Amino acid sequence: EVQLLESGGGSVQPGGSLRLSCAASGFTFGTYAMSWVRQAPGKGLEWVSGISGNTVSAKYVDSVKGRFTISRDNSKNMVYLEMDSLRADDTAVYYCTKALFGGCEYWGQGTLVTVSS
Amino acid sequence: QSALTQPRSVSGSPGQSVTISCTGTSSDVGGYNYVSWYQQHPGKVPKVMILDVSRRPSGVPDRFSGSKSGNTASLTISGLQAEDEADYYCCSYAGSYSWVFGGGTKLTVL
Repeated sequence: EVQLLESGGGSVQPGGSLRLSCAASGFTFGTYAMSWVRQAPGKGLEWVSGISGNTVSAKYVDSVKGRFTISRDNSKNMVYLEMDSLRADDTAVYYCTKALFGGCEYWGQGTLVTVSS
Repeated sequence: QSALTQPRSVSGSPGQSVTISCTGTSSDVGGYNYVSWYQQHPGKVPKVMILDVSRRPSGVPDRFSGSKSGNTASLTISGLQAEDEADYYCCSYAGSYSWVFGGGTKLTVL
């Protein structure tokens, strides 16, 4: 059974940093791309970042480029999202997903990030 | 990286069929056969309903079907049921390990 478990969310002041982690199990982790998707309160889904299985390729939505960094450790079945220079509009539930080109096949339960002074 | 365009809301009566459209560009929807659809009930995690334009994951009722023509993808729900009332999002691969979502459509079952 595929399981994705996010952690690391919380409250932070504008300009601060957080590191989200996602522990994956139930599939051959290094074979699959992973993505982070977020949902601001009362808003829709927004793809944030994706990384290939071999870590060679990583992409970001324009609004987080230069501030967020995605990485993965295939030896630990972990994917991370390092978030710096956080802004109020980064406030959202962040979901870790197992990503096929054809869609996000599995989702974690999400972790809430609140950016507020 | 513009969001895909979906109608803000659609509605239908139990037993009827509804179709939700999702319009993108040749750089996303039109460029790849990699469109997916998600159902989200309030306060819940999104659930994948369609992958790869028209493939239903195990456990998704065959009342849900997907298609694509050019830059527009569609989700059709036939035999509407009360539990289908939810928000629906489309998503397309946009190349180089990037994806883009639609703005979401609220389905109301009358």
